[in-house]
Amino acid sequence: DAGVIQSPRHEVTEMGQEVTLRCKPISGHDYLFWYRQTMMRGLELLIYFNNNVPIDDSGMPEDRFSAKMPNASFSTLKIQPSEPRDSAVYFCASRESSGANVLTFGAGSRLTVL
Amino acid sequence: GQQLNQSPQSMFIQEGEDVSMNCTSSSIFNTWLWYKQEPGEGPVLLIALYKAGELTSNGRLTAQFGITRKDSFLNISASIPSDVGIYFCAGQRNSNYQLIWGAGTKLIIKP
Repeated sequence: DAGVIQSPRHEVTEMGQEVTLRCKPISGHDYLFWYRQTMMRGLELLIYFNNNVPIDDSGMPEDRFSAKMPNASFSTLKIQPSEPRDSAVYFCASRESSGANVLTFGAGSRLTVL
Repeated sequence: GQQLNQSPQSMFIQEGEDVSMNCTSSSIFNTWLWYKQEPGEGPVLLIALYKAGELTSNGRLTAQFGITRKDSFLNISASIPSDVGIYFCAGQRNSNYQLIWGAGTKLIIKP
């Protein structure tokens, strides 16, 4: 398996622009997670899905952030409009339905908002 | 809310030295995980612990699930340059809760 695949790896955009980050989880994994990593706040869980259904979005910072999972092999995290404080590395992770909460992470998408 | 205290925040050691780091919590966890993150990559699982007192090794790495279930330890023996990175602990109370993450221990090795 190719693992969790994220794109783009790097994105530089200007404040106010829409940003869309993409994730393909590991085939057969029923859970998908979006995390944000910054120096100040470390790893923060934004939202997670189970069987394509959003379960907990309490970590989503504000209404500018939205996430979708239209099918088992694809998810997006959208920021509209983007702000400089959104600059961070965004990770997607997935796991199986078994009891062990062992996540496999993608390589991340580094977002810079100017 | 729940927090994990991970220490030390960073370590600057000589190649060949042993390394120890730990995570503590005010809450009891049923699972402890240790991940390593290298620059430009996502965290990668090193060791998973599921029982109090459990001691598990992965090569030169050894992790322990504390008896109180409120802490966990990671040791690296005879460090080498490729051990550099940030090590994260993560704990889970039970399957109904998501992982709680430590702030990470940055390991820097002098050749």
